[in-house]
Amino acid sequence: DAGITQSPRHKVTETGTPVTLRCHQTENHRYMYWYRQDPGHGLRLIHYSYGVKDTDKGEVSDGYSVSRSKTEDFLLTLESATSSQTSVYFCAISEPWSGNTIYFGEGSWLTVV
Amino acid sequence: AQTVTQSQPEMSVQEAETVTLSCTYDTSESDYYLFWYKQPPSRQMILVIRQEAYKQQNATENRFSVNFQKAAKSFSLKISDSQLGDAAMYFCAYRSKGGTSYGKLTFGQGTILTVHP
Repeated sequence: DAGITQSPRHKVTETGTPVTLRCHQTENHRYMYWYRQDPGHGLRLIHYSYGVKDTDKGEVSDGYSVSRSKTEDFLLTLESATSSQTSVYFCAISEPWSGNTIYFGEGSWLTVV
Repeated sequence: AQTVTQSQPEMSVQEAETVTLSCTYDTSESDYYLFWYKQPPSRQMILVIRQEAYKQQNATENRFSVNFQKAAKSFSLKISDSQLGDAAMYFCAYRSKGGTSYGKLTFGQGTILTVHP
């Protein structure tokens, strides 16, 4: 258990509305990530953070923004949700002392209608 | 950019038998990590096993072992004495060491494993 909590776990929203997913961790991990999972694609990196206020883009960052104002929280925002953003979103953490292994949260199911 | 390929969309095995899941990858790097993750119906991503590329010895975790062939860029997962609880989607993943790629996992498309009683 890497102490990762995602919220909300399930959300249905309408096209064009803003949505924020929260990832909360309790073990002071430096590195945090947001991935999305879609059929046929495995998991793909959206954004990641290597410290407070230090973030960078992943391979599928268009339409998403992130913020990390404190170590324990990493927020993923869809400014104007689209149906193509219907997906399962996973937060993850890693630390060098864990052998650089990435551990995942339980996932957030987002449906955009 | 690295790519990971799992050529078996689905596999099945009888309980107590052995099954091998295949994974190949493409990279120009010499040092990296490889992982197998298990995703049961709950969708939780569970680490099964990890391998560091510079280590010659194949990783083993209880009933799970890998066959790491660095020159062939192959990383297969063997599950021995299969159990009903092993039924899941299995993902192979690649991770660079350090630099700007730190922490970024590249996943294969996944293999659905069915275990028959």
